[in-house]
Amino acid sequence: QKEVEQNSGPLSVPEGAIASLNCTYSDRGSQSFFWYRQYSGKSPELIMSIYSNGDKEDGRFTAQLNKASQYVSLLIRDSQPSDSATYLCALYSGTYKYIFGTGTRLKVLA
Amino acid sequence: GAGVSQTPSNKVTEKGKYVELRCDPISGHTALYWYRQSLGQGPEFLIYFQGTGAADDSGLPNDRFFAVRPEGSVSTLKIQRTERGDSAVYLCASSLTGQINNYGYTFGSGTRLTVV
Repeated sequence: QKEVEQNSGPLSVPEGAIASLNCTYSDRGSQSFFWYRQYSGKSPELIMSIYSNGDKEDGRFTAQLNKASQYVSLLIRDSQPSDSATYLCALYSGTYKYIFGTGTRLKVLA
Repeated sequence: GAGVSQTPSNKVTEKGKYVELRCDPISGHTALYWYRQSLGQGPEFLIYFQGTGAADDSGLPNDRFFAVRPEGSVSTLKIQRTERGDSAVYLCASSLTGQINNYGYTFGSGTRLTVV
């Protein structure tokens, strides 16, 4: 079992809709989680980090963490075509290292 | 520099050849990381430097891979006797310290290595 699992997609949503991206992880001791966005041919860029159970909002993005169920999700409200990218879920392993999922490809249809 | 710089951006090499990939981190960042991203996969950790020393090289796939950071700034990832399976994007990242905080770390634009 991979440590971080994501559906590879593509997830297609119409412009203006809410995109919901999900991630599960196997290490119950994991404490910190991150969402990175990666446009095709580009390097990953950090969107959000979350450490505590519950929701964390930043603009159109909301990260949700449920440690009991071992999942973390990212909601994108009012999705725009410019949000079309691959979204990588990562957990923080130790003090310096990420473990990434395979990413979910999101397509926002105009 | 303003960001993490990686050169070359693209490298095509023949199977069996030796390649070097260079990473120039953000000025003042003591921590430097190499990751490898194969097509359709997330980045996989290769090696972490704190200053000049490799603090963790557990992600290097085999002894054909080696990395150095002699002066605690620029790092070079070296791959000997390249194989087609080495084809991937090699990402470098740096951070001020070895601790990941809310800001994560900054990735370079990567070197796309193709072994033919």
